[in-house]
Amino acid sequence: KNEVEQSPQNLTAQEGEFITINCSYSVGISALHWLQQHPGGGIVSLFMLSSGKKKHGRLIATINIQEKHSSLHITASHPRDSAVYICAVIPIQGAQKLVFGQGTRLTINP
Amino acid sequence: DAGITQSPRHKVTETGTPVTLRCHQTENHRYMYWYRQDPGHGLRLIHYSYGVKDTDKGEVSDGYSVSRSKTEDFLLTLESATSSQTSVYFCAISESGERGGVVTEAFFGQGTRLTVV
Repeated sequence: KNEVEQSPQNLTAQEGEFITINCSYSVGISALHWLQQHPGGGIVSLFMLSSGKKKHGRLIATINIQEKHSSLHITASHPRDSAVYICAVIPIQGAQKLVFGQGTRLTINP
Repeated sequence: DAGITQSPRHKVTETGTPVTLRCHQTENHRYMYWYRQDPGHGLRLIHYSYGVKDTDKGEVSDGYSVSRSKTEDFLLTLESATSSQTSVYFCAISESGERGGVVTEAFFGQGTRLTVV
């Protein structure tokens, strides 16, 4: 079983819809990253969270450390949001190494 | 954008040949990592470095070696490339924050697409 599980693995939605991607993990962590990867592109860090909630434009990330769960929300989704979204955790014991989820492939249709 | 560059961006090589990928950073970050990304496997850690000349193995280190002689450069070498090493390779850098052991930021390179024929 992976230490980091994302759901759904694939998500297709219409432009304008509210999107939620979930991440559950099984180890104690010091922080969690949400990453974005466009097709054929590099990986960009969207958020780093250790508690609570962060907002950047139409993107919102929340984390519940006690429940070992994080969500990434996209409001008013747009086709340019189409990408793979990856959750990565920093285990408390892990010598600074990120542990990645499998990614969620998001497609927003116009 | 963070100052991290990978070279080359694309490479095709023959089975059995040695290959070296370079990761260069201008952020003076302590930690550097090499990952490979494959369909169905996500990102997997090959090797990482926590300082000059300090490196350790990740989960898929067989067939790979690394070197870090300067803070800014982290080299990944495939001693004798095999078709199973066809992949996209990403370098990443990170730094600890005020709490010492906590990584507070992480940046990724653009990736190197390696094809072994």
